[in-house]
Amino acid sequence: GDSVTQMEGPVTLSEEAFLTINCTYTATGYPSLFWYVQYPGEGLQLLLKATKADDKGSNKGFEATYRKETTSFHLEKGSVQVSDSAVYFCALGTPSGYALNFGKGTSLLVTP
Amino acid sequence: DAGITQSPRHKVTETGTPVTLRCHQTENHRYMYWYRQDPGHGLRLIHYSYGVKDTDKGEVSDGYSVSRSKTEDFLLTLESATSSQTSVYFCAISAGTGGYYNEQFFGPGTRLTVL
Repeated sequence: GDSVTQMEGPVTLSEEAFLTINCTYTATGYPSLFWYVQYPGEGLQLLLKATKADDKGSNKGFEATYRKETTSFHLEKGSVQVSDSAVYFCALGTPSGYALNFGKGTSLLVTP
Repeated sequence: DAGITQSPRHKVTETGTPVTLRCHQTENHRYMYWYRQDPGHGLRLIHYSYGVKDTDKGEVSDGYSVSRSKTEDFLLTLESATSSQTSVYFCAISAGTGGYYNEQFFGPGTRLTVL
């Protein structure tokens, strides 16, 4: 079935470090891919999305490229800030599905 | 921000008692979802609705029921709460089939503790 696998955390980085959170997927057909972010005590917020191969989603300095050949959608940011500390979820949606399939989440802690 | 509210935001209850969680939206979106979030499991779909009185099960629906009598409200009921249902519950909405053409928007969550 359709599924998402993302790297386990927690990930701890110093401020201004480069961030990569890996996400790979398994799906039939051509899914849409999403990254959501959850700040402590809050619900999930859509961070970025890509709906077809080679699309790059971007928002707030974060980027992810939909790579069909490697079935990946890795999240990157060039210089993280303390305010980026949160849990990040990779998710996919398919035309035949009715909801999103989420990864287990990756906790990011950025220290000053 | 999408207009989604959940009530209550926090609840502590005892095993065997019925519990109802409410999700209210002001966006007039067709699709509504209930997820639960547990450490190590990410978000798992409980039930979803694709219209008034139209609902279906998700992957972890046992022990839960839902109702949707109005577009704006989606209720999740635990008929007889168990400790395994201690979790954070999130409601989500989507304008279309949530996950392909249309992204989902999430409410703030309800933290439920079953003693």
